[in-house]
Amino acid sequence: AQKVTQAQTEISVVEKEDVTLDCVYETRDTTYYLFWYKQPPSGELVFLIRRNSFDEQNEISGRYSWNFQKSTSSFNFTITASQVVDSAVYFCALIGTQGGSEKLVFGKGTKLTVNP
Amino acid sequence: DTGVSQNPRHKITKRGQNVTFRCDPISEHNRLYWYRQTLGQGPEFLTYFQNEAQLEKSRLLSDRFSAERPKGSFSTLEIQRTEQGDSAMYLCASSLFLGAHTEAFFGQGTRLTVV
Repeated sequence: AQKVTQAQTEISVVEKEDVTLDCVYETRDTTYYLFWYKQPPSGELVFLIRRNSFDEQNEISGRYSWNFQKSTSSFNFTITASQVVDSAVYFCALIGTQGGSEKLVFGKGTKLTVNP
Repeated sequence: DTGVSQNPRHKITKRGQNVTFRCDPISEHNRLYWYRQTLGQGPEFLTYFQNEAQLEKSRLLSDRFSAERPKGSFSTLEIQRTEQGDSAMYLCASSLFLGAHTEAFFGQGTRLTVV
């Protein structure tokens, strides 16, 4: 069975601080995909990144960066120089490719509040 | 492309009534997912379609829930004899699956309140 754990329920930072959101996953599949989504107060889930299990390169997109480490089954997300608009709930998700189930499994999310 | 569209955005119903939600996916996407999200939780998988075929249903999907995607385009989710525990945000997502998983794009959801 697939499982995603986001141990941080809520994080509060002051604008311009860097913040890292943790994600640990469990799967028996050798091929799988990891995702991060942002859910602002408006409610719509916004896709941020997809990473497959064969690609362990870290990725940077503007102020966002992701650190994928298969050895620790982690896919952490860092926001550099946080801004108030980054305030949202962030979800890490996993989809496997074996075992007959191809549903996207979400963690419980981390609520990030960036204060001015 | 206007993204994934869900209607209605909000629905208030009395316990015991039937409700139906509609999802229009991104036009070229062959996969369509339904999720349910309650306050403070991540989305929970309900069911998904590839084209018109319903390929998986969660155990969360009791016999009061039924979903269809008759022509492989839009989908409907019906809840019969609603209960207060059905109150939640119902999310629809679509993706393009061509042998590898691409990102799923979500609609804005339908918030159901059962009174």
